[in-house]
Amino acid sequence: ETGVTQTPRHLVMGMTNKKSLKCEQHLGHNAMYWYKQSAKKPLELMFVYSLEERVENNSVPSRFSPECPNSSHLFLHLHTLQPEDSALYLCASSSYRDSLGRETQYFGPGTRLLVL
Amino acid sequence: AQSVAQPEDQVNVAEGNPLTVKCTYSVSGNPYLFWYVQYPNRGLQFLLKYITGDNLVKGSYGFEAEFNKSQTSFHLKKPSALVSDSALYFCAVRVLSGGSYIPTFGRGTSLIVHP
Repeated sequence: ETGVTQTPRHLVMGMTNKKSLKCEQHLGHNAMYWYKQSAKKPLELMFVYSLEERVENNSVPSRFSPECPNSSHLFLHLHTLQPEDSALYLCASSSYRDSLGRETQYFGPGTRLLVL
Repeated sequence: AQSVAQPEDQVNVAEGNPLTVKCTYSVSGNPYLFWYVQYPNRGLQFLLKYITGDNLVKGSYGFEAEFNKSQTSFHLKKPSALVSDSALYFCAVRVLSGGSYIPTFGRGTSLIVHP
């Protein structure tokens, strides 16, 4: 295991539901990431938090709302999603030293999301 | 535009044969290049990275990659493939965005090693 955990591992939700994905890292890292992985597409970076501040938001729809209460936890709040949002959502962490340039990312196992 | 490309969706190789998974990049400045592997129902795992120095980088599980600046490539290689190497492989490059280096991943290449 990589030291990054994600819950739940699987989630089925309706378009009117509100749910949250949780990520926790036990590596002492201070940068955390959310990615969306869809079949036959590049891994899409959604959000980056460094030292608990958001440093990247890749034009993600507002129905996805991240929260980083501390350097060990990252949440992705979901509301009024669309079927095309069904994907594997991966969390990753790394240590922040010099502009996130050289650090290796450690990934969680992902949450498989299905929106009906 | 800064990007990374993996031109092959799938690579097939017989067990015991050498394997190559291709990656090319387009960035300004010095690139930071990474390879990750994803096994079924798992997150991505780090294999190796090139930051500076020797162009040949050795990583986990017997994999290596060669940084070629003139060809802007960072191909992943292994001298003798194992069936257990079958997985999805991602190349990534750090892209400068808003003062920070943000990771950008390729589409992934599915490696299938046949017994």
